[in-house]
Amino acid sequence: GENVEQHPSTLSVQEGDSAVIKCTYSDSASNYFPWYKQELGKRPQLIIDIRSNVGEKKDQRIAVTLNKTAKHFSLHITETQPEDSAVYFCAASFESGGYQKVTFGTGTKLQVIP
Amino acid sequence: DAGVTQSPTHLIKTRGQQVTLRCSPKSGHDTVSWYQQALGQGPQFIFQYYEEEERQRGNFPDRFSGHQFPNYSSELNVNALLLGDSALYLCASSQGETQYFGPGTRLLVL
Repeated sequence: GENVEQHPSTLSVQEGDSAVIKCTYSDSASNYFPWYKQELGKRPQLIIDIRSNVGEKKDQRIAVTLNKTAKHFSLHITETQPEDSAVYFCAASFESGGYQKVTFGTGTKLQVIP
Repeated sequence: DAGVTQSPTHLIKTRGQQVTLRCSPKSGHDTVSWYQQALGQGPQFIFQYYEEEERQRGNFPDRFSGHQFPNYSSELNVNALLLGDSALYLCASSQGETQYFGPGTRLLVL
């Protein structure tokens, strides 16, 4: 089955700096890659996603890049703010038998220091 | 437009007991997936329901079972609870590839 590795497990940055979280996946059939943000005690919230026919996607301070050949994708947060502090999960998904199979990474705890 | 809802929010049980968790999907969504999230870990896929049938399952024992109703809401049942079943149980609904999560039910097994 699919295996998703996520690094780093923890990340501390100064407010205003950039943060980068990287994920690798094993199954070349994966074609959809969402990123979720989970604040303490709250539900995972979708913040951005990318499909395999796209190499990069940007939404304000958040961007995701995908390298299909190397089977890795990354989340980039620029101009970090204290409210960006949370756990971030990547996921890889592919369609099998008419439904999506989703595998999550182990998470990155991001701390933005004011 | 209501998002995904789950009940109860918290639950305390003892070993050997049985528990039922409930999920109502986002309006317009027909697929419900259940995940177990242990502290400090990513969500682990339990199973997925579509058209009232379980159509894929993760590596969880048969003690974990579920159901989907005609209105697309779903239940997760866990029998013979173990201490290791203590976790946050998340429900996610979808129609297509994007999943939206509910707030979760935090289960503590003593």
